[in-house]
Amino acid sequence: DIQMAQSPSSVSASVGDRVTITCRASQGLGSWLAWYQQKPGKAPNLLISDASSLQSGVPPRFSGSRSGTEFTLTISSLQPEDFATYYCQQANNFPVSFGGGTRVEIK
Amino acid sequence: QLQLQESGPGLVKPSETLSLTCTVSGGSITGGFYYWGWIRQPPGKGLEWIGSVFYSGSTYYNPSLDSRVTISVDTSNHQFSLRLNSVTAADTAVYYCARQKAAPGFSGWFDPWGQGTLVTVSS
Repeated sequence: DIQMAQSPSSVSASVGDRVTITCRASQGLGSWLAWYQQKPGKAPNLLISDASSLQSGVPPRFSGSRSGTEFTLTISSLQPEDFATYYCQQANNFPVSFGGGTRVEIK
Repeated sequence: QLQLQESGPGLVKPSETLSLTCTVSGGSITGGFYYWGWIRQPPGKGLEWIGSVFYSGSTYYNPSLDSRVTISVDTSNHQFSLRLNSVTAADTAVYYCARQKAAPGFSGWFDPWGQGTLVTVSS
């Protein structure tokens, strides 16, 4: 089974800051990785699929990249509506697994 | 626009069976290469995949829940369902259903999601 190690578990940042979240897979996924944003009391929302493909309607300040088994979600300039929890998910095979989440908090 | 809606009891007694249904509207449950999945989130914690079903009825389950989980699909009513046996307080969570865009040999990602339903296990 593939394990996803997500870091950091939380980050405090200010509006306008650049934020980077990392997920490391225990084995190769190719580009089969997704990123989700979850706001309190709401269902997760798919931001990025295929490691770097931005979903329709997602602002371009969000981007995803891959280097081997390490995947990165970057928010280039944090906006007030971006304060939320972010999860990665390996989509390569079953069983599906999620990272532990990163809470982005206001500094 | 595809929408998913979970339904079922919000309170289940310990040792009993949790049963939830997800109704799909605005699209076909049989079209395309999609699985239909269940994911849960205990209060204040992260996401845990429970299992997924293809419209043909083939299933994949989380190994940690495999002995207690059954997921089935009812294509005529555009629904898929979750049954979790022998529940304990540890099964208290928000339960989400979601469409899972997959490909042959790959499990895929979840989009869209239902709004979620809180199930509390308590006597």
